[in-house]
Parts: sequence; structure tokens; C-alpha cells
Amino acid sequence: QKEVEQDPGPLSVPEGAIVSLNCTYSNSAFQYFMWYRQYSRKGPELLMYTYSSGNKEDGRFTAQVDKSSKYISLFIRDSQPSDSATYLCALSQGAQKLVFGQGTRLTINP
Amino acid sequence: KAGVTQTPRYLIKTRGQQVTLSCSPISGHRSVSWYQQTPGQGLQFLFEYFSETQRNKGNFPGRFSGRQFSNSRSEMNVSTLELGDSALYLCASSLNPPGGGGSYNEQFFGPGTRLTVL
Repeated sequence: QKEVEQDPGPLSVPEGAIVSLNCTYSNSAFQYFMWYRQYSRKGPELLMYTYSSGNKEDGRFTAQVDKSSKYISLFIRDSQPSDSATYLCALSQGAQKLVFGQGTRLTINP
Repeated sequence: KAGVTQTPRYLIKTRGQQVTLSCSPISGHRSVSWYQQTPGQGLQFLFEYFSETQRNKGNFPGRFSGRQFSNSRSEMNVSTLELGDSALYLCASSLNPPGGGGSYNEQFFGPGTRLTVL
């Protein structure tokens, strides 16, 4: 079993929809929870990070961490075609080593 | 401010050969990490260097090695290439390793080197 599980999709939604992306994990030692976005032929770029449990909001993006359930989520409101990308969750115990989910390929249809 | 640069961007090698990939971090960044990305396994951590010292290593065979120079530039080497080494190799740099207590030093990724082993 992988340390971090993420549904690879693909996920296709109409423009303006609310998108929910999720990851589950098995190692309770993870303390930092990140969401990266990766466009085709590019490296991943950090969208948001959360330390320990809780919610964090940044514009149209909201990240949630539930450590009791070992479950993290990313919500995208008012989705735009430019949000079409692969979204990767990444977890860390505090060192530079990131453990990534498989990534979910998201397409927002105009 | 220039981002993380990786050279070459594309590389084709044959089985049994060796390859060296290069990464130049963002100016001022002292931590460099390497990752392998494949469709089957996703992004996997290879190793991390800080101030020319390997601080962390992933679960890869000894054929994968790396080093960091005094100017923070880093190289990774793969010897005796296998077909399964075909992947996108990503380098990421950050200012320092995390200080703990909730502070996170963002890792900035380069565009990667696409290695194809024939």
C-alpha cells in the first residue's frame, strides 16, 4: 500500500463548477500538507500548504486537513479553464522529502 | 529572479550507459532535492542536498547518485541505465531545510529533464 493515495482521475467538469480533490495517507507522522499544480511540460508549482490540521483559504482555493481521518482535500471554486492541470498532494514529516500522491488530471470545460 | 534551471531538457540514452543531469537552483537557495516522475509511480524522492552534504535519501538503488557543489549547483548521475529509468527527473530548490514549528520553506521545481532509455 502506498503512503499517499490519490485518485488519478481524469476528472472533467464544466467551467464554474466546484472541484473537490482528495488524498488519503497512512503515516500519522506527516505534519505538512501541500497541494501542487503541474501544467503539461512544466515542473510542479506550490498552490497551498497547511501545517497540522485545519483549513486554509487562498482566493478560489481552500485546503482542508483532517489528521484524525488522515484525509486532505483541495476545493476549487468558480473553476476556470486555466485551472486545467494535474493536481498533486504532497506530504512531509518536516524534512525536505516530499511524498506525493499519484496526481489527479483535471480538465475544466468552457 | 531566474527560476530553477535544469540541463539538458531532453536526453536519449541506451541501456547500460550512464547519464549526468544538472540543476542550478534559484540564487541564494542552498537546498536542492531531486525527484523522479513516471506515469506508473508518480513523483518519487531521490535525494536532498544542503551545503554540499546529502541530508536525505529515497529508496532508489545505488546506481542513482548525486552531489552538490559549493555554489549550490547540483548534479545527479545514473549509471548502468535500465529501461525503467526512463522518466522526468525534477530538481527542486529551497532557501533552507524547514525550521519546524509550522514554517515551511517552499520547494521550487525546475522544468525537469526528460530521460528516455532505449
